[in-house]
Amino acid sequence: GESVGLHLPTLSVQEGDNSIINCAYSNSASDYFIWYKQESGKGPQFIIDIRSNMDKRQGQRVTVLLNKTVKHLSLQIAATQPGDSAVYFCAEGLFGYALNFGKGTSLLVTP
Amino acid sequence: DADVTQTPRNRITKTGKRIMLECSQTKGHDRMYWYRQDPGLGLQLIYYSFDVKDINKGEISDGYSVSRQAQAKFSLSLESAIPNQTALYFCATSASGLAGGSTDTQYFGPGTRLTVL
Repeated sequence: GESVGLHLPTLSVQEGDNSIINCAYSNSASDYFIWYKQESGKGPQFIIDIRSNMDKRQGQRVTVLLNKTVKHLSLQIAATQPGDSAVYFCAEGLFGYALNFGKGTSLLVTP
Repeated sequence: DADVTQTPRNRITKTGKRIMLECSQTKGHDRMYWYRQDPGLGLQLIYYSFDVKDINKGEISDGYSVSRQAQAKFSLSLESAIPNQTALYFCATSASGLAGGSTDTQYFGPGTRLTVL
């Protein structure tokens, strides 16, 4: 997993398996959390977000879990596909301030 | 995202030169941001602007300046470029959060790859 402030880790999964990418955030006052996907040569792309009054949110093949007690955020990708290979960033935000981004986790999907 | 454009996409320059990176958006957002990204690292905030008359320094503003010419345009300048400013630069936009809510999602441009020799 990653932490806002640690080196870039790498996760390798087989096509079809589920992926879980973790993130530890730093500010207990943060009230908004986002996951971004960045493919090589492109800008970060929004995947899913969650507000601090929720602990789970689902999208298409993705689920974000928020544990405020331990300041932990995770992104679950179901049935991982080769096109999911990218760097994934979590970001934390607080109303009125810019987002604070983590350094990212590289996801590699193997056939 | 075609709604956020950056020019140039690639630039090679020499130490000491003045460089301007442009960002335009058609999303109608009031907030704009400039980040730099170095290999293997996350996004570092350089400057951000919550409206045309509001400019704020980010965590690494030294050596950079910005201009918010209009709601849709936010430019980043390197007054005297140095090699350690070689990086990938991203512009992003977001809409104001709802009253009492949180900062809304940021939408990123395709990036400008800057090399300072």
